[in-house]
Amino acid sequence: AQSVTQPDIHITVSEGASLELRCNYSYGATPYLFWYVQSPGQGLQLLLKYFSGDTLVQGIKGFEAEFKRSQSSFNLRKPSVHWSDAAEYFCAVGAKEYGNKLVFGAGTILRVKS
Amino acid sequence: ETGVTQTPRHLVMGMTNKKSLKCEQHLGHNAMYWYKQSAKKPLELMFVYNFKEQTENNSVPSRFSPECPNSSHLFLHLHTLQPEDSALYLCASSHDHLGEQYFGPGTRLTVT
Repeated sequence: AQSVTQPDIHITVSEGASLELRCNYSYGATPYLFWYVQSPGQGLQLLLKYFSGDTLVQGIKGFEAEFKRSQSSFNLRKPSVHWSDAAEYFCAVGAKEYGNKLVFGAGTILRVKS
Repeated sequence: ETGVTQTPRHLVMGMTNKKSLKCEQHLGHNAMYWYKQSAKKPLELMFVYNFKEQTENNSVPSRFSPECPNSSHLFLHLHTLQPEDSALYLCASSHDHLGEQYFGPGTRLTVT
């Protein structure tokens, strides 16, 4: 069965520090991958996506993610975190074979301390 | 993301009430989705529509009834809900069945 794991429920970083949020997946097909961000009381906003090609993808708000097939990972990174980045982050995985169905991780809550 | 709107944003209903949630997408997409987001649980896909046809019903109880009159509008009709149905209900759309999904702000539903 398909699954997505975000091992960290909460992460706290200082403003200006670098950030890495982990995402691992288990999928029986070639995946396509997404990161979304959700602020309190809001819907999910797409940060970036990977379908094929260059395994390092750039997204909005200065985020990037790297697809590592050998590690079944798609970790999200940002070199310098801003207080406004505090939110919950979700990794999601899909595949052509599964059509519309995206599987979401449980989320990682990011806290930023000043 | 103003491309997908949802109304109402908040809803409180009793277990015997009937209400409907509305979703509208202004992106020209062909696929629409309903998700349920409960505290401390991963996002749960409920229903999928492609070109107005339902293509996925993820074992959702019949007290939730979706309707998709056209590619831009999606409804979720609610009746005789249970307190455990209290959650944030999110609507999303995508260009096609393989594309990235764009989400609305959600409806916060409380069942009393």
